[in-house]
Amino acid sequence: ETGVTQTPRHLVMGMTNKKSLKCEQHLGHNAMYWYKQSAKKPLELMFVYSLEERVENNSVPSRFSPECPNSSHLFLHLHTLQPEDSALYLCASSQEPEREQFFGPGTRLTVL
Amino acid sequence: AQSVTQLDSQVPVFEEAPVELRCNYSSSVSVYLFWYVQYPNQGLQLLLKYLSGSTLVKGINGFEAEFNKSQTSFHLRKPSVHISDTAEYFCAVSDPYNQGVKLIFGQGTELSVKP
Repeated sequence: ETGVTQTPRHLVMGMTNKKSLKCEQHLGHNAMYWYKQSAKKPLELMFVYSLEERVENNSVPSRFSPECPNSSHLFLHLHTLQPEDSALYLCASSQEPEREQFFGPGTRLTVL
Repeated sequence: AQSVTQLDSQVPVFEEAPVELRCNYSSSVSVYLFWYVQYPNQGLQLLLKYLSGSTLVKGINGFEAEFNKSQTSFHLRKPSVHISDTAEYFCAVSDPYNQGVKLIFGQGTELSVKP
């Protein structure tokens, strides 16, 4: 595998379910990111991890819980989501926070 | 704080015509600038980047962009577009001297190439 991978690619869940999104980067980068992309809206930065420490949390509801166990893996744990949380969730990584980010293909999440 | 404005939300163009997608950023001492492309149901792919040096930057798929410091712009151009260029394009900026800053993205421009 090369670049940034995300699993699953598609996820449908009910409002009471608990699920997790997984991201893995094979680029040796130090920073990882979660973004939310909703239809007709700008990219929303959710979380930033640098050297496995969370450095930013952009007022994201607590029903989204990130985890970064090492520099190559990033998870987004989901519980009791709302229909408005349906979106494309993108993971990215970069060598440093100010440099170009490399994106995964995204997970298309639908909350029923 | 840095901000990025993409002046056109949608740009329709005919195949083989030239195209320019506009991007302006708020002023700063120095910036890094990027253009990304997103095809339907995919992640963002880096098209090109400006870090320093020549103000004319060439990227993949025949795209190029020009950094204009006085106008705080970084417009993306292609002399002849193809149907396959239909996608969403994002401009992004970062300030390398602002600790902890990450990329700031514009709202995107939807390029639609018609036969």
